[in-house]
Amino acid sequence: DTGVSQDPRHKITKRGQNVTFRCDPISEHNRLYWYRQTLGQGPEFLTYFQNEAQLEKSRLLSDRFSAERPKGSFSTLEIQRTEQGDSAMYLCASRGGADEKLFFGSGTQLSVL
Amino acid sequence: AQKVTQAQTEISVVEKEDVTLDCVYETRDTTYYLFWYKQPPSGELVFLIRRNSFDEQNEISGRYSWNFQKSTSSFNFTITASQVVDSAVYFCALSGAGGGADGLTFGKGTHLIIQP
Repeated sequence: DTGVSQDPRHKITKRGQNVTFRCDPISEHNRLYWYRQTLGQGPEFLTYFQNEAQLEKSRLLSDRFSAERPKGSFSTLEIQRTEQGDSAMYLCASRGGADEKLFFGSGTQLSVL
Repeated sequence: AQKVTQAQTEISVVEKEDVTLDCVYETRDTTYYLFWYKQPPSGELVFLIRRNSFDEQNEISGRYSWNFQKSTSSFNFTITASQVVDSAVYFCALSGAGGGADGLTFGKGTHLIIQP
């Protein structure tokens, strides 16, 4: 499978706990994006990496959120001290070269109880 | 700031009917890209089309067609002879050209229901 893969597909956690999600982009893609999607809304941009450098962060990304992309390959998104408002689908996408098309993963559905 | 408006929250039609999904966008960029994505119940966003701002030719792909009108900042999507498998949420999206985040700005989506 050469698509974008995300793990886990679903995560249920209690308020206050930390969670970490993983995204494996398409292997030759140097740009990686995280989006968040809540029910009935379109995806909202969170952050962007070009190779291992995090170049852009949305104001939606509070200081409880941190993302990394060591070695410019897979990426992790960590949420500390989760709140119920963090419940959403977290989508990862990648693209490469001059291609403007984003390829999305299936997402991680987070439920904070 | 960029903005995408999909005024139709939900559309329900009977199979084989034609249906048009509306998309209106706002941007100050002179070069930009417009997209349509399909999100079936499985959740994965599936790319349908990309159109750059300099190409106003309409496009047809099978039962799908897209009407880009720069004068009205619209990029509408028509499904001809709809099928039950077309049922999904459809998102229109916009991105600028150039560097930086250049991520997509999505509309809120239109939930399309095709009834058998």
